[in-house]
Amino acid sequence: AQKVTQAQTEISVVEKEDVTLDCVYETRDTTYYLFWYKQPPSGELVFLIRRNSFDEQNEISGRYSWNFQKSTSSFNFTITASQVVDSAVYFCALSVYNFNKFYFGSGTKLNVKP
Amino acid sequence: DGGITQSPKYLFRKEGQNVTLSCEQNLNHDAMYWYRQDPGQGLRLIYYSQIVNDFQKGDIAEGYSVSREKKESFPLTVTSAQKNPTAFYLCASIGITGELFFGEGSRLTVL
Repeated sequence: AQKVTQAQTEISVVEKEDVTLDCVYETRDTTYYLFWYKQPPSGELVFLIRRNSFDEQNEISGRYSWNFQKSTSSFNFTITASQVVDSAVYFCALSVYNFNKFYFGSGTKLNVKP
Repeated sequence: DGGITQSPKYLFRKEGQNVTLSCEQNLNHDAMYWYRQDPGQGLRLIYYSQIVNDFQKGDIAEGYSVSREKKESFPLTVTSAQKNPTAFYLCASIGITGELFFGEGSRLTVL
């Protein structure tokens, strides 16, 4: 069975602090994909990143970075120098079987205070 | 602009009524999905369709129905059999690189 766990329900930080959102996944498939999505107050989920199981290289995009470690089944997301606009709910997701189904974590609500 | 359009954004339903949520996409994507989101919870899959005239039940299909008569359209009907329909509903389609594209959602409230 597939499962995604985001143990942090809600995190509050002050602007310019760094923050890491944790994601732990479970799957027996050797080929799978991991995603992060951002859900601002407007409600629409916005795609941030996709990683396949064969690519453990970490990625940096501006203030965002992702750490994928198969050894610990984790795909953590770090925001450096957080800003108020980063306030949102962030979801980690797992996909297998040629993207037929996606499995979402319960989300982490990030509050960035000025 | 290309994207997913959901309507209505807000919908109120009396108990015992069926309601239909619209989802239209102009991205030329084959696969489309309906998710339900409850406060503090992740997204749960209701139905998905990989091709026109075909769809499969997701994890929480009871009390819901869908159709896929056109590639662009994937409406969701919340029937009176759904005992707790108040929720936020999200429609999505999948691009060729595997990421989901979402609409802005429809918030259904049962009065």
